[in-house]
Amino acid sequence: QVQLVESGGGVVQPGRSLRLSCAASGFTFRNYGIHWVRQAPGKGLEWVAVISDDGTKKYYANSVKGRFTISRDISRDTLYLQMNSLRPEDTALYYCAKVSVYGLRGSLDYWGQGALVTVSS
Amino acid sequence: DIQMTQSPSSLSASVRDRVTITCQASQDITHYLNWYQQKPGKAPELLIYDASNLKTGVPSRFTGSGSGTDFTFTITNLQPEDAATYFCQQHDSLPLTFGPGTKVDIK
Repeated sequence: QVQLVESGGGVVQPGRSLRLSCAASGFTFRNYGIHWVRQAPGKGLEWVAVISDDGTKKYYANSVKGRFTISRDISRDTLYLQMNSLRPEDTALYYCAKVSVYGLRGSLDYWGQGALVTVSS
Repeated sequence: DIQMTQSPSSLSASVRDRVTITCQASQDITHYLNWYQQKPGKAPELLIYDASNLKTGVPSRFTGSGSGTDFTFTITNLQPEDAATYFCQQHDSLPLTFGPGTKVDIK
């Protein structure tokens, strides 16, 4: 069965960095685009970034552009989100989610359980 | 960016009731609209894709309709396990955007 498992969350001071990982299994990882979506405590869903199946196309929300980098390692079936210059407003549960069909858009048919990132001094 | 609105923001209904949630996009998104269910402490789960298509394994009491800018999500024969927050999401263009959510409580 399809599984996405995030890791790497934690408490970090403003201005510092953190890297999230998302380990995929149960499907052919290299064939699908993957998104990061975040949810601040008690709030709604905010799209963060997406990477294409081959890793050549990457797009970011304006709120994280220039600070976050999405990448993937096909040999490890793992997605990453490098987060630099973290701000308190980046505090959220970060989900990775798989696109259902070929491409970058589409429905997000499987989600991980989330990794909590808390930015606080 | 395409803005998504939802109404109502919350509702309370009884078991076996019919519940309807509306979602409006700020511009024409044709049929590129998905619906998700999120229960407390859990990740969102896809229920409906491309406005009206039921994801495999999702109960048929969940339905979606609409096109362009106006969409509707309906739960017929509401069940206790349907207590959750429901989000719409457009995938016509990046950035993907979500509605603010509708919290459904069971009386």
